[in-house]
Amino acid sequence: KNEVEQSPQNLTAQEGEFITINCSYSVGISALHWLQQHPGGGIVSLFMLSSGKKKHGRLIATINIQEKHSSLHITASHPRDSAVYICAVRRGSQGNLIFGKGTKLSVKP
Amino acid sequence: DSGVTQTPKHLITATGQRVTLRCSPRSGDLSVYWYQQSLDQGLQFLIQYYNGEERAKGNILERFSAQQFPDLHSELNLSSLELGDSALYFCASSVGQGAYEQYFGPGTRLTVT
Repeated sequence: KNEVEQSPQNLTAQEGEFITINCSYSVGISALHWLQQHPGGGIVSLFMLSSGKKKHGRLIATINIQEKHSSLHITASHPRDSAVYICAVRRGSQGNLIFGKGTKLSVKP
Repeated sequence: DSGVTQTPKHLITATGQRVTLRCSPRSGDLSVYWYQQSLDQGLQFLIQYYNGEERAKGNILERFSAQQFPDLHSELNLSSLELGDSALYFCASSVGQGAYEQYFGPGTRLTVT
């Protein structure tokens, strides 16, 4: 079993829809990251969370440490949001990340 | 633009060869991480350096090695290349060793033929 599980694997939405991507992990963590990878391959860090909730524009990330679960929400989705969204966790004092397999999001106009 | 640079962007080489991938971290960042992204394994951590010293090792093969130089740039050396080493190699940098934001470079796409 992977230490970081994401769902769904693939997601197709219509422009304007509210989107939720889920991430569950089975290890103790010091932080959780949400990353975005565009078709060209580049990776952008969206959020780093250790508790609570963060918001940036139309993106919201939440984490529940007790339940070992995080969600990434996209409000008013747009075709430019089409990308792979990757959840990654950091264990203890180590800096390296352990990655989920990603959620491929496609937003249709 | 994350401020992290990687060269080359693309590399095509034959089995058995050796290549060097280079990474320059963001100005002021002391930590460099190397990650491999392959189709079957996804993203995996290879190795971390902090201010010139190796700090953590992940799923890095013995045929691979890395170092971080005094100017903080890092190189990942891959030798005796196999078809299965074909992947995207990313480096990321952060200001410290622990729970800091990581900034990813654009990656080097390695194709072994």
